[in-house]
Amino acid sequence: DAKTTQPPSMDCAEGRAANLPCNHSTISGNEYVYWYRQIHSQGPQYIIHGLKNNETNEMASLIITEDRKSSTLILPHATLRDTAVYYCIVRALTGANSKLTFGKGITLSVRP
Amino acid sequence: DTAVSQTPKYLVTQMGNDKSIKCEQNLGHDTMYWYKQDSKKFLKIMFSYNNKELIINETVPNRFSPKSPDKAHLNLHINSLELGDSAVYFCASSNWGQSNQPQHFGDGTRLSIL
Repeated sequence: DAKTTQPPSMDCAEGRAANLPCNHSTISGNEYVYWYRQIHSQGPQYIIHGLKNNETNEMASLIITEDRKSSTLILPHATLRDTAVYYCIVRALTGANSKLTFGKGITLSVRP
Repeated sequence: DTAVSQTPKYLVTQMGNDKSIKCEQNLGHDTMYWYKQDSKKFLKIMFSYNNKELIINETVPNRFSPKSPDKAHLNLHINSLELGDSAVYFCASSNWGQSNQPQHFGDGTRLSIL
């Protein structure tokens, strides 16, 4: 079972920031927070991951709360091509528990 | 320069048949995975191979038999196909030793059982 909870859906206007929340209150100290997305009819695409510090790359920013029980994925300037299902996943560092366990994700709809 | 490629992209076949799906990665990764995404869109891991050895084997019927001839390939053979096998099957790869590294996915094989 997925160890994260996300709202089922949200939308935002094109060009605005999209802030996608995720709760992971039972996260362990050795587990990373990963974000993937799945655009319709494609395979999941890695976005970003972090342990406890905030992270930023060319796609997004990841803000993790100090207690690590929740995080927010930020797409700074959403475009229509960002419409997808976004998955927040916690993943252990080693062993069989390093497998990715996908939940239902959050469907982001970017409107013109 | 596709990183993880699966063939075929679409597979339509009759119940009871045996079929195979192939996966190849050119990323130099040492670990490959098979996932199943059902009609409700849940994505679940089925198998994982590291350096041609099975390391993850979820509760999957033994009609499903993965085979890894080398690190760059992981094929999935399915015997006696059933209606419930209809799904999208995704292959992925990563480096096992670097556990915080992301998995890269193929674009899926859409299997439809008539």
